[in-house]
Amino acid sequence: EADIYQTPRYLVIGTGKKITLECSQTMGHDKMYWYQQDPGMELHLIHYSYGVNSTEKGDLSSESTVSRIRTEHFPLTLESARPSHTSQYLCASSLPGAGEVFGQGTRLTVV
Amino acid sequence: AQTVTQSQPEMSVQEAETVTLSCTYDTSESDYYLFWYKQPPSRQMILVIRQEAYKQQNATENRFSVNFQKAAKSFSLKISDSQLGDAAMYFCAYRSPFQGAQKLVFGQGTRLTINP
Repeated sequence: EADIYQTPRYLVIGTGKKITLECSQTMGHDKMYWYQQDPGMELHLIHYSYGVNSTEKGDLSSESTVSRIRTEHFPLTLESARPSHTSQYLCASSLPGAGEVFGQGTRLTVV
Repeated sequence: AQTVTQSQPEMSVQEAETVTLSCTYDTSESDYYLFWYKQPPSRQMILVIRQEAYKQQNATENRFSVNFQKAAKSFSLKISDSQLGDAAMYFCAYRSPFQGAQKLVFGQGTRLTINP
């Protein structure tokens, strides 16, 4: 049973639209992450957060932005979606030294 | 920067048999964490097993065990008595305890098929 929730699970949207992918966790974890994963491929970190009001860009350059106003909430926003943004986006959180707990992911398709 | 390599893009095994997935990594650190994650088709990624580098004893979780060779920078996963539900992508991952948000570095993944 997941303690980290992502919505929506699937999203098909037109080019140029603004979208926000939601991620919430109920575990009180300070560290949260967003990964991008193409089907069957490895995960790439695009954003992470140490805690409230702390966000950093990850290893893979992304046009998305994130915010961390509350510990439990770490939304990702694309101001203008493009077909190149089509991918799966995975949110995760963790305690120091522990493995990540992942959400179920949002599969985004931009047409 | 640390790197993680999984040299087997695909593996298959007969149900009830044992399979070993390979993982090597590159790091100059002496203390770190290693993980194996399982990602079933269209389902959530879950943690299978975790190893702390300063512990010489290999981690074990039921049918899953690792062979951690620190000097060789190798971290293989052994699945015993394979079950149909073990079919998934398996990712090896490395975490430094020292860097910033302690983010994970993932390998490329190995797709495991279980043959009935």
